[in-house]
Amino acid sequence: AQKITQTQPGMFVQEKEAVTLDCTYDTSDPSYGLFWYKQPSSGEMIFLIYQGSYDQQNATEGRYSLNFQKARKSANLVISASQLGDSAMYFCAMRSFTNAGGTSYGKLTFGQGTILTVHP
Amino acid sequence: NAGVTQTPKFRVLKTGQSMTLLCAQDMNHEYMYWYRQDPGMGLRLIHYSVGEGTTAKGEVPDGYNVSRLKKQNFLLGLESAAPSQTSVYFCASSYHMDESTGELFFGEGSRLTVL
Repeated sequence: AQKITQTQPGMFVQEKEAVTLDCTYDTSDPSYGLFWYKQPSSGEMIFLIYQGSYDQQNATEGRYSLNFQKARKSANLVISASQLGDSAMYFCAMRSFTNAGGTSYGKLTFGQGTILTVHP
Repeated sequence: NAGVTQTPKFRVLKTGQSMTLLCAQDMNHEYMYWYRQDPGMGLRLIHYSVGEGTTAKGEVPDGYNVSRLKKQNFLLGLESAAPSQTSVYFCASSYHMDESTGELFFGEGSRLTVL
């Protein structure tokens, strides 16, 4: 079974500083994908970044980068130059597949989330 | 430019009542999902569908039923609501889920309270 673990219930960072949000995963699938989503206090889920298990380079999207260490099964999110608007809940998620009746069913499994607070 | 739309946004039920949450997407996505979000537990998959007329169970399917009669709609039903089903429900959709990103597009959530 696939499992995603986020061990930091809450994190604090000073504005303009960098912060790393931890995510570890467990899977036996040879191919998988890792995602990070942001959920601000308004409640919507915002896609941030994606890393495929076979991607040679770490994914980057603006101020977001994903520190992917396959051997350690970790996919940490790094936010550079934090802004007050980065204060939110952050979820790590993993794509996995289930085969049933010759059909492949894909789904995302989410971690528990980390609340990030950016101080001015 | 609607994306994924959930109705209703808020609902209060009494124990034992039934209700249906409707999810509609206008992106022609094959995959649709229902998640519930509870404090400290992240998002947990209830049911999902990989195409019109097909559904599959997720992590926490008990007490819920779903139907995907039309590609654009995915309904989540509670036949006999229980206080343990008090939660925020999210619908999501994706074009496909293969070697590409398979990014999920989420609705705004539906807050359900069962008294």
